[in-house]
Amino acid sequence: DTGVSQDPRHKITKRGQNVTFRCDPISEHNRLYWYRQTLGQGPEFLTYFQNEAQLEKSRLLSDRFSAERPKGSFSTLEIQRTEQGDSAMYLCASSLAVQETQYFGPGTRLLVL
Amino acid sequence: GQNIDQPTEMTATEGAIVQINCTYQTSGFNGLFWYQQHAGEAPTFLSYNVLDGLEEKGRFSSFLSRSKGYSYLLLKELQMKDSASYLCAVMRDDKIIFGKGTRLHILP
Repeated sequence: DTGVSQDPRHKITKRGQNVTFRCDPISEHNRLYWYRQTLGQGPEFLTYFQNEAQLEKSRLLSDRFSAERPKGSFSTLEIQRTEQGDSAMYLCASSLAVQETQYFGPGTRLLVL
Repeated sequence: GQNIDQPTEMTATEGAIVQINCTYQTSGFNGLFWYQQHAGEAPTFLSYNVLDGLEEKGRFSSFLSRSKGYSYLLLKELQMKDSASYLCAVMRDDKIIFGKGTRLHILP
């Protein structure tokens, strides 16, 4: 499968715990994006990378959220001290270049109890 | 800032035609996307309009008017599998900003 992959697909955690999600983009895609989606809403932009450089973070992203793309390939999104409001689907997307179509992974569904 | 408006829900009959409208207000506009999203799944790409006009792709067509800040997605010969949410999204600078989506229900 040469599409975008994400791991895990589902995560249940207790409030206050840290969680980390992984995204593997389509090979050779330079751009990698993270989104959060809650029920009845469209995906909400969180942050994106051009190769290993993080170019922008949404103002909605609190200090508990951090993302990395150390070698310009896969990326991780970490949430520290999770809160119930963090429960959502976390989507990763990649594109070949700027202003190109973004292709989405299957998402990681997070439930914080 | 940006504002993307589309109807929350629509219902249509199998075999019919449906048009889903989207209006937007944004600075730095570089194009408009339509994505399809089935419940519990990731969005899948349908179309990308940069210039004014109609783009046809099989049963799906997408229209854009940049001067009016308006787009629509036209679905023909509706099938039950078309029951999904349809997301209108604008390319602003080099990010995609999504609307809330239109949930389309198909009746047999």
